[in-house]
Amino acid sequence: GAVVSQHPSWVICKSGTSVKIECRSLDFQATTMFWYRQFPKQSLMLMATSNEGSKATYEQGVEKDKFLINHASLTLSTLTVTSAHPEDSSFYICSAPRAGTGGNGAEAFFGQGTRLTVV
Amino acid sequence: DAKTTQPPSMDCAEGRAANLPCNHSTISGNEYVYWYRQIHSQGPQYIIHGLKNNETNEMASLIITEDRKSSTLILPHATLRDTAVYYCIVRVAFKAAGNKLTFGGGTRVLVKP
Repeated sequence: GAVVSQHPSWVICKSGTSVKIECRSLDFQATTMFWYRQFPKQSLMLMATSNEGSKATYEQGVEKDKFLINHASLTLSTLTVTSAHPEDSSFYICSAPRAGTGGNGAEAFFGQGTRLTVV
Repeated sequence: DAKTTQPPSMDCAEGRAANLPCNHSTISGNEYVYWYRQIHSQGPQYIIHGLKNNETNEMASLIITEDRKSSTLILPHATLRDTAVYYCIVRVAFKAAGNKLTFGGGTRVLVKP
């Protein structure tokens, strides 16, 4: 079953409004989570790293004031797209690493993704 | 993290083995080869990873060349549900480097009846 849950799976909003996307680790704690964005027929692009209890780290070219990230607990990170515009329409995906077994380090688990459409 | 090169697309027949190549000629000694796949409109799914030995699990097999400059993901009996984009990613072990993944273009695999 899913180990990372993302909600909502899709959302339509009006231009100028804000949208919040949640990412939860279901049976493990994640001090770090990652947010990706994917445009049609393109690969995933990392937007930011969400750190529990501290500020998020944004990739170059990603506006931190537009994409607000809050990692308030060890199992929840949220991404808020503020003042959304049609060009923000995309598929947003979160990821959380979970410690692996057998000395192979952690694996990255991904949420189901959220398709945002701004009209 | 080392760069990878994959063919942009490939078709395979249902029930046959699908062999997906990946070149990673600049791989470092402490870097693993990871494979993920993304079915349309879903988040990526972990498949398998390895360092230098061949690996097998319930989903696939990973064959890494002796010089580690390339690898092949093998889906032993492809089904229609294996249609997806497959990503080959080379990076150090998660515990060592912040855990983020950098995705390339991947290979768009279409399994045909």
